[in-house]
Amino acid sequence: DTAVSQTPKYLVTQMGNDKSIKCEQNLGHDTMYWYKQDSKKFLKIMFSYNNKELIINETVPNRFSPKSPDKAHLNLHINSLELGDSAVYFCASSQWGELEQYFGPGTRLTVT
Amino acid sequence: KNEVEQSPQNLTAQEGEFITINCSYSVGISALHWLQQHPGGGIVSLFMLSSGKKKHGRLIATINIQEKHSSLHITASHPRDSAVYICAVRETSGSRLTFGEGTQLTVNP
Repeated sequence: DTAVSQTPKYLVTQMGNDKSIKCEQNLGHDTMYWYKQDSKKFLKIMFSYNNKELIINETVPNRFSPKSPDKAHLNLHINSLELGDSAVYFCASSQWGELEQYFGPGTRLTVT
Repeated sequence: KNEVEQSPQNLTAQEGEFITINCSYSVGISALHWLQQHPGGGIVSLFMLSSGKKKHGRLIATINIQEKHSSLHITASHPRDSAVYICAVRETSGSRLTFGEGTQLTVNP
């Protein structure tokens, strides 16, 4: 079974649309993360939730809104998509207090 | 200047060569991670270090806390080792990971 899964794997959409990416982990972890990887392969943290509470909120546009309905899920909703949002978005999870993070397979978002 | 610097950015090797990728960081850390990202995009954690040295198969990771430096070594490299290798540090002040820009490794047969 996949430990950290993301859907969809690929997402192609037009500027101005609203889209969501979903992430689920079955590892029993209580902390989840969203990372953005740009075209230069540079990974940057966007958000982190611990027990459904936001604990890291980097400087990202407020068009990006994470939602954690429960500890096993962290979804990312993006409003009014822009060309610069094109990237690969990775979800990850860990147990609070433990340092190991487990990454999902990534969602490649292309905004045209 | 990024808090985590990797070198080299790109590395091409012949099969069988010994490979070293370096990572330097400028902040206090509680742990350092080495990650591998294959062309398909998935990210796999290779090592998590807070001191000393770890070995897994042909991969060896070392860290020198005083010098704020870590190295990832690959012995007897193989084309399937071709991937981007990413160094990431967890700062002592928080739970987030800060990433290096990655090293693109290509091993030719």
